[in-house]
Amino acid sequence: DTGVSQNPRHKITKRGQNVTFRCDPISEHNRLYWYRQTLGQGPEFLTYFQNEAQLEKSRLLSDRFSAERPKGSFSTLEIQRTEQGDSAMYLCASSSWGTSGGAGDEQFFGPGTRLTVL
Amino acid sequence: AQSVSQHNHHVILSEAASLELGCNYSYGGTVNLFWYVQYPGQHLQLLLKYFSGDPLVKGIKGFEAEFIKSKFSFNLRKPSVQWSDTAEYFCAAISSGSARQLTFGSGTQLTVLP
Repeated sequence: DTGVSQNPRHKITKRGQNVTFRCDPISEHNRLYWYRQTLGQGPEFLTYFQNEAQLEKSRLLSDRFSAERPKGSFSTLEIQRTEQGDSAMYLCASSSWGTSGGAGDEQFFGPGTRLTVL
Repeated sequence: AQSVSQHNHHVILSEAASLELGCNYSYGGTVNLFWYVQYPGQHLQLLLKYFSGDPLVKGIKGFEAEFIKSKFSFNLRKPSVQWSDTAEYFCAAISSGSARQLTFGSGTQLTVLP
C-alpha cells in the first residue's frame, strides 16, 4: 500500500499523559499536513510542513502540541499533558506541492489516529 | 475569515433519487474547491476538484459539482444515488495563498435506503 499511513490507529490515554502519533506520507510528496477532526465536524487544520520546514501553525495548536518532520519524510505529532478536550481524530495528509504544477494540489489523507483521553 | 458552510447535516434518500448537497464558501480572492467523501470505516477520499475553467466539474462515481461564483457556491450533484453512496461528504476550499491548507465544512451525512 503506497498511501498515507498513520500509527497508532487508536490511542487511549489518561489525562496528563503525553502521546505521540506518527504519519508516513506518500513517498514522493514534499508537503505534509496535520488536521484534527471532532465528532460532527469537518477536519480543522493544525500545521503543515514543506520538506522538513514547519511553515504554518494554526492557533488551534497550543504550546502542548509539537510536530516534527526531521528528515522531510515521516512526521510526528506529540501532545503533552493531554486534556479531555484533546480527544479527537488526528488526520495526516500529504501532497506534492509544486511538483504537480499549478494551484490546488490534491491532498491525500491517511486513516487517522483516534485519541481518547480519559 | 475564510469559511465553508454545508447546510444539510443529514440527508436521507431512496435509491435512484437525485442528490444535491449544498456548499457555500466565504473567501476573498481566488479559491480552489473540493468535495471529499468518507465511506464508513474508510479515510477521506477526493471526489472532485475545481481550480479554474469550466465551472461544471465531473468527478468519480458519477458525481459532479457546479461552481457558481456569484453565489459563492459549489454544490455536489448526482442524478441517481445508490446504496453504496452512503457516506459523509465534505466540501473544502483552499485560498490562493501559499499555505494551501484546506478549510472544511462540517460535513453532510448521506444515507441511501435500498
